[in-house]
Amino acid sequence: DSGVTQTPKHLITATGQRVTLRCSPRSGDLSVYWYQQSLDQGLQFLIQYYNGEERAKGNILERFSAQQFPDLHSELNLSSLELGDSALYFCASSVEGGQSYEQYFGPGTRLTVT
Amino acid sequence: QKEVEQDPGPLSVPEGAIVSLNCTYSNSAFQYFMWYRQYSRKGPELLMYTYSSGNKEDGRFTAQVDKSSKYISLFIRDSQPSDSATYLCAIWDNYGQNFVFGPGTRLSVLP
Repeated sequence: DSGVTQTPKHLITATGQRVTLRCSPRSGDLSVYWYQQSLDQGLQFLIQYYNGEERAKGNILERFSAQQFPDLHSELNLSSLELGDSALYFCASSVEGGQSYEQYFGPGTRLTVT
Repeated sequence: QKEVEQDPGPLSVPEGAIVSLNCTYSNSAFQYFMWYRQYSRKGPELLMYTYSSGNKEDGRFTAQVDKSSKYISLFIRDSQPSDSATYLCAIWDNYGQNFVFGPGTRLSVLP
């Protein structure tokens, strides 16, 4: 168990809908990272937050947004969902604010868009 | 050409074998190199990271980086059935401020 929690574990929704995925980092970690993993695209870095501020941005679509709250938990919002958004979404956390390579991944949220 | 490439496998080896997993990358500006292990239905787990050419050893695992060839490797000695997983190489692109992952190699170690 990495200490990173993600909810929900599974989510099934329809095209055009909006969902929110939640992540709680390990105790003491200030950075949160979001990743998308699909069969055809592999693991893709979406975005990083450090202590409430956006730190780095990867391949995140404009329909997606994230934020990190004062208690350091983070939410990833996915809107106008498409079939191709079906994937595993992972959150990871690290202590540092720089691009820390010692990231601890959560168990993931499996999103199915029908 | 994808930025990071890996042979997807599956790679099957007998218990006790030495395993060699490889990645190639396209951008010579990439600086930091990582290997993750991912068991089925679990999040990736960091095994090793390095930022320089050469070897880095940790127990049964050795990471090797050759920046001149843009080639990174992970060697697993005395492989165990518990090593059966997908192995992902990852690179930090300091210029693009982005983590780039390879597609992963699926490894099966047979008892």
